[in-house]
Amino acid sequence: KQEVTQIPAALSVPEGENLVLNCSFTDSAIYNLQWFRQDPGKGLTSLLLIQSSQREQTSGRLNASLDKSSGRSTLYIAASQPGDSATYLCAVLDPPNKLIFGTGTRLQVFP
Amino acid sequence: EAGVAQSPRYKIIEKRQSVAFWCNPISGHATLYWYQQILGQGPKLLIQFQNNGVVDDSQLPKDRFSAERLKGVDSTLKIQPAKLEDSAVYLCASSTHYEQYFGPGTRLTVT
Repeated sequence: KQEVTQIPAALSVPEGENLVLNCSFTDSAIYNLQWFRQDPGKGLTSLLLIQSSQREQTSGRLNASLDKSSGRSTLYIAASQPGDSATYLCAVLDPPNKLIFGTGTRLQVFP
Repeated sequence: EAGVAQSPRYKIIEKRQSVAFWCNPISGHATLYWYQQILGQGPKLLIQFQNNGVVDDSQLPKDRFSAERLKGVDSTLKIQPAKLEDSAVYLCASSTHYEQYFGPGTRLTVT
């Protein structure tokens, strides 16, 4: 049974810091891995999707890497801003088509 | 392109009452999902539809939860009777291939 773990559960940093969020999964037979952002009381916004054949994806200040063999992914946020404050969720797509989520990292960036 | 629509956004009911949620997926998306997200946890899949048919409902508490997707477009999720532990955000998502797009969710509070 696939299990997805995210570390740390919460993170509070000053504005401008570069930070890394970690995600690990137990079964490497995945189709893809996605990072989502969730603001309080809101739905999920997809940030980055990495196909199983890819090693990383970048969008603006965000970079996500995937190491399938070790069951790990990292989300790197450069030059953090208060607007980055949110919960970040990692999810893996298991065959045939089931998305399994981690419990999230709650990020607070203070001015 | 319009996103996934859900209503209502918020609902407060007493235990043992019934409630229904509505979802309209992105046009042309054959696959529709309902997730339950309890506070502090990642979303958990309740049911997955492919057009009109159910693909996966293994985690749906069938004694009290039901869902339908008539005509392969809109879907409703019903809880009857509600329990206190059903308090959560109910998210609807749709997809064509392997990327899911989420609606804003319905926050249910059972008192």
